[in-house]
Amino acid sequence: GAVVSQHPSRVICKSGTSVKIECRSLDFQATTMFWYRQFPKKSLMLMATSNEGSKATYEQGVEKDKFLINHASLTLSTLTVTSAHPEDSSFYICSAGMTGPTYEQYFGPGTRLTVT
Amino acid sequence: SQQGEEDPQALSIQEGENATMNCSYKTSINNLQWYRQNSGRGLVHLILIRSNEREKHSGRLRVTLDTSKKSSSLLITASRAADTASYFCATRGSEKLVFGKGTKLTVNP
Repeated sequence: GAVVSQHPSRVICKSGTSVKIECRSLDFQATTMFWYRQFPKKSLMLMATSNEGSKATYEQGVEKDKFLINHASLTLSTLTVTSAHPEDSSFYICSAGMTGPTYEQYFGPGTRLTVT
Repeated sequence: SQQGEEDPQALSIQEGENATMNCSYKTSINNLQWYRQNSGRGLVHLILIRSNEREKHSGRLRVTLDTSKKSSSLLITASRAADTASYFCATRGSEKLVFGKGTKLTVNP
């Protein structure tokens, strides 16, 4: 199956700093990438959908100025958590989708963010 | 908004037994997918069933879909300790995948 990578896998940062998480589709071109957030023992919550070359579409309640998403190429999307606070600590997962009838999304391994 | 709701929330069985997890949803869908997540890891896609399909098999997995009841089930036969993980159903309407809360499956050796 298609491979999606995320970097870094874990990051610890201090409150007030910004953190960038990269999501790459390694062996296919992803016109659409999705960013999810997962709290411990909870389900995945969709944060935003990004299409290459256009602005991301954020879900209700997600601050677009807080979570900056850039999808500059068909293989790379980045999520920047700006001015991070301890409540931003979470597991962030990206996924990438290809066009076509299968509608499958391929998920990255996730990034564990801890804000101290 | 939360779409899929899995039950049970947690399931503990012995190796060799079958595990059945259920998922209910509220709105119309194009397809329903099941994913597996090992603790602290990313998601692995298990199986996709389209809205016009009623049953699908993949190895030890069997998925059913009843669109009239807006429900799906995932059956894992002859479970193994390595099947221990959380299992999520996810429904797709137009473009977005909406995940349920998941079932935490523990298979005891």
